Amino acid sequence: SSELIQVPAVSVALGQAVSITCQGDSLRSYDTSWYQQKPGQAPTLVIYNRNNRASGIPDRFSGSSSGNTASLAITGAQAEDEADYYCNSRDSSGYRVVFGGGTKLTVL
Amino acid sequence: EVYLVESGGVEVRPGGSLTLSCAASGFPFDRYTMHWVRQPPGKGLEWVSLIGRDGTQRFYSESVRGRFTISRDNRKNSVYLQMNGLTTADTALYYCAKEHRTGWPNLDTWGRGTLLTVLS
Repeated sequence: SSELIQVPAVSVALGQAVSITCQGDSLRSYDTSWYQQKPGQAPTLVIYNRNNRASGIPDRFSGSSSGNTASLAITGAQAEDEADYYCNSRDSSGYRVVFGGGTKLTVL
Repeated sequence: EVYLVESGGVEVRPGGSLTLSCAASGFPFDRYTMHWVRQPPGKGLEWVSLIGRDGTQRFYSESVRGRFTISRDNRKNSVYLQMNGLTTADTALYYCAKEHRTGWPNLDTWGRGTLLTVLS
């Protein structure tokens, strides 16, 4: 399968922890990246190769993976973390890229 | 600083053709695989195509394979997306993206996008 599944929406109280998941068969073979996209802006790389923070990303963001599920965790969510989050990986063939459908994070 | 600037997005009729361009600066362009990713209005990201460093490796999503052609000119630090047989489903903001130093599908730099509208 070439599909990555994300829950459409998640909410978190300010300062609390939240996890966003991404499921897909290809995640058993390939690492995941995570992207943050705020309204009217291009996506920004947050996590690469499963659990590495991209340059300039606060350490409250972390990534992990187990089996066919990858997770993006935010500890101590801030108002500026409100955004759409997308996972991506290679598809099962290894020759193409696939994105998850995105998760809208609301910080209450 | 690393920059990617897309251009070429316009309004076209179904069945039409168009070529998008992406101009890169601030990094050794010929050392990185480049990608096109699109986003229909109000929807999520969809990967479209990639081209390897020397242009010999090219892959496409199933939704565009056979209709779109990706190319690059390393002398001009540019990547292109030629699109034929356009349909309303191709309406989207098209982003050019650069792979991370650790390789794709990690995409560490994105342009602001160029909007293609296919009018019915």
